Amino acid sequence: DAKTTQPNSMESNEEEPVHLPCNHSTISGTDYIHWYRQLPSQGPEYVIHGLTSNVNNRMASLAIAEDRKSSTLILHRATLRDAAVYYCILFTLPYKLSFGAGTTVTVRA
Amino acid sequence: DTAVSQTPKYLVTQMGNDKSIKCEQNLGHDTMYWYKQDSKKFLKIMFSYNNKELIINETVPNRFSPKSPDKAHLNLHINSLELGDSAVYFCASSQGGGPDNEQFFGPGTRLTVL
Repeated sequence: DAKTTQPNSMESNEEEPVHLPCNHSTISGTDYIHWYRQLPSQGPEYVIHGLTSNVNNRMASLAIAEDRKSSTLILHRATLRDAAVYYCILFTLPYKLSFGAGTTVTVRA
Repeated sequence: DTAVSQTPKYLVTQMGNDKSIKCEQNLGHDTMYWYKQDSKKFLKIMFSYNNKELIINETVPNRFSPKSPDKAHLNLHINSLELGDSAVYFCASSQGGGPDNEQFFGPGTRLTVL
């Protein structure tokens, strides 16, 4: 079901930005791009979502390409608590979240 | 003040038994979901309810029966448990089931079938 492609893993240093790429070349006009993360032994946690324009919230920023075929989640200053699996998901008809394998982010102290 | 809570957190049982997992949300949301996360960590939606009505029913064996007594609760009953049912089950909720809404997940219930 997953219609997105993400790298398996990424590493970052604490206090540095993290850019997580996601490809979704088959995206349709009504699909929203959602990002969730899952910390070890916890349920998934909403991070951010968008349709066409870039979005910012207290957790992260979402940069969406003009053709919408790719997007990037930006964590501005990674902390150890940001170590998690990050999922890029197309919220598509019939309006369900279809999780893929995600990107495992490791943050080095 | 847990937004989405599940009980129990852990459930260990024998094959063939019947068990239930309860989910409650205090966010006032009208849509609730059940997800299954298998040993390979893939999360798949099982069911979705909106205002107590079933709106999404993925290819799930009919041994699994969701029940929504009210908008704040969505319980999952599993009959004749099998080894392959071992997984972590997550409940979630959102305000509306549309794509412009975030989902809030519970802490999960780890089910082990022996």
